[in-house]
Amino acid sequence: DAGVIQSPRHEVTEMGQEVTLRCKPISGHDYLFWYRQTMMRGLELLIYFNNNVPIDDSGMPEDRFSAKMPNASFSTLKIQPSEPRDSAVYFCASSPGTTNQPQHFGDGTRLSIL
Amino acid sequence: AQSVSQHNHHVILSEAASLELGCNYSYGGTVNLFWYVQYPGQHLQLLLKYFSGDPLVKGIKGFEAEFIKSKFSFNLRKPSVQWSDTAEYFCAVNSGGYQKVTFGIGTKLQVIP
Repeated sequence: DAGVIQSPRHEVTEMGQEVTLRCKPISGHDYLFWYRQTMMRGLELLIYFNNNVPIDDSGMPEDRFSAKMPNASFSTLKIQPSEPRDSAVYFCASSPGTTNQPQHFGDGTRLSIL
Repeated sequence: AQSVSQHNHHVILSEAASLELGCNYSYGGTVNLFWYVQYPGQHLQLLLKYFSGDPLVKGIKGFEAEFIKSKFSFNLRKPSVQWSDTAEYFCAVNSGGYQKVTFGIGTKLQVIP
């Protein structure tokens, strides 16, 4: 079991640049979640998908953020243009299709916007 | 909307001390409850979960949690902590058949050797 795979592990870029974070969920999991973790706000749900369809994107902070899931094995979170306040650790998680099953988290992407 | 409160944001204990981390949620219906642990620099991992049955749940590494429905609580306990338990602990809940999980703000536990 390979677990949830995220890339890159670290990203440092300048303000205004486009940032793309990638996630490969566990095979067979129907749900995929994107979270942002900061010291000030803790763990925030940005968006989640069910069977590749976005279900709830109410946590996406601004129009600068977008997420896609073109197929069951791949998702992206894009920030364009990036700002220093976007600096955080971004986690992707996946879970099976029943609500009493836990989410499995990836190792996260540590994003620093200069 | 459901919410999760973790009362202790930062806890410092000596090795062998007993641990109890508080967690309260707000939702009146059926809930699934989780505790996750995040070791420094790592991702969140499941510690234990409750969805039905015995309200006293045992997890990995000697942790347990008790679901008290009347108090809307799901406190995490360990009788004797070790230095390796230094981590951040998150309580989480989902409810009503929805997959969306709400996480608490987290409690940072520091265990001093």
